[in-house]
Amino acid sequence: GQQLNQSPQSMFIQEGEDVSMNCTSSSIFNTWLWYKQDPGEGPVLLIALYKAGELTSNGRLTAQFGITRKDSFLNISASIPSDVGIYFCAGQGGSEKLVFGKGTKLTVNP
Amino acid sequence: GAVVSQHPSWVICKSGTSVKIECRSLDFQATTMFWYRQFPKQSLMLMATSNEGSKATYEQGVEKDKFLINHASLTLSTLTVTSAHPEDSSFYICSAPRTGSGEQYFGPGTRLTVT
Repeated sequence: GQQLNQSPQSMFIQEGEDVSMNCTSSSIFNTWLWYKQDPGEGPVLLIALYKAGELTSNGRLTAQFGITRKDSFLNISASIPSDVGIYFCAGQGGSEKLVFGKGTKLTVNP
Repeated sequence: GAVVSQHPSWVICKSGTSVKIECRSLDFQATTMFWYRQFPKQSLMLMATSNEGSKATYEQGVEKDKFLINHASLTLSTLTVTSAHPEDSSFYICSAPRTGSGEQYFGPGTRLTVT
């Protein structure tokens, strides 16, 4: 099925550094969602975006809904070890079905 | 935030037996729930949409007779893996959208191992 282009695939950073990841799509979405998944767990919703151009923060996380409605990015500032995990973007079009990116695996070195 | 639970969190069964996995929305009603399968180091693969009061809709390539879905109430959907085989071993995750919010919440997942 359809899948979003998410990059980078993996990141290795030092604690305290900022992180940025993004997703692009050939289709327009009405909602963009960002999730974090820890090993053996289900994805946890981090941020939901509903309007083109919207910029939303959740603590050290900031995400934006692209103006074209075909892309979104997630920034994490001042990373800490517990930020380790896999981050997924997901787009929602006319139905409640989600289309996922392949994920960004984040490793934070203390 | 909204909470979705799954039971069991892990299960081991013998080949040929059936396994039922429950997905519950704990603090909101969900007329629709989704079932996903996730292989190691991969993204989530949508299997089917569970619809309260009507039949589930399955994604292409997913056998509806093997993966039985029942949306018993506005807070409960079940996935039954029938005549399980080792290749059915996987991580199964459900999700439920909170109506009107655009937000969708995932359960903690169920690890199925078929021996």
